Amino acid sequence: QSALTQPASVSGSPGQSITISCTGTQSTLGNYNLVSWYQHHPGAVPRVLIYEGSRRPSGVSSRFSGSTSGLTASLTISGLQAEDEADYYCCSYAGSSTLVFGGGTKLTVL
Amino acid sequence: QVQLQESGPGLVKPSETLSLTCSVSGASIRSHYWSWIRQSPGKGLEWIGYIYHSGSSNYNPSLKSRVIISVDTSKNQFFLKVNSVTAADTALYYCAREDSESYYFDNWGQGTLVTVSS
Repeated sequence: QSALTQPASVSGSPGQSITISCTGTQSTLGNYNLVSWYQHHPGAVPRVLIYEGSRRPSGVSSRFSGSTSGLTASLTISGLQAEDEADYYCCSYAGSSTLVFGGGTKLTVL
Repeated sequence: QVQLQESGPGLVKPSETLSLTCSVSGASIRSHYWSWIRQSPGKGLEWIGYIYHSGSSNYNPSLKSRVIISVDTSKNQFFLKVNSVTAADTALYYCAREDSESYYFDNWGQGTLVTVSS
């Protein structure tokens, strides 16, 4: 199964914007715009932030936005807040009804 | 409100079978896909597979030879079995509801920790 590559860590100060990348292959991001993003605080349940690359479920703050260009999907968090400190995962459809997660990115709010 | 709850033994011996149940409330299991996802200690999320109420299922190719996911629509439950477990199967196991058109997970259980050890 194809892997999705995310940076291990990113950081930013309160109020800033940060972007987390998720690089795939032709068999994932190249063929499908079915990327989702999840926020995971340690000890809590993962929460979906974005699906279909850029769509936000109801109840998710507009500070979270997603985009895709070529083989890279991106999650941008604007107006960074202390509670945004968490792990973030991208996930993509990989064909044949299978899914694959990225390795995760730890966001530190300085 | 959709709720999912995992249950099962927290300790499994090497080479034995890991068995978990996910009980769904607030929604019928006759819609959506129903998935299992795990997170090994210090590692990221890993999709294990899904099942549909018809019994149709699909698995992560890396686990396919050892995994069976099944469903009981009368009880609104679905199940995970992982055969021939090793220490590498020690993980927090989540069940989740998967949107069958957009392929994302919109509801998750709290997760249950399974340790493989003799």
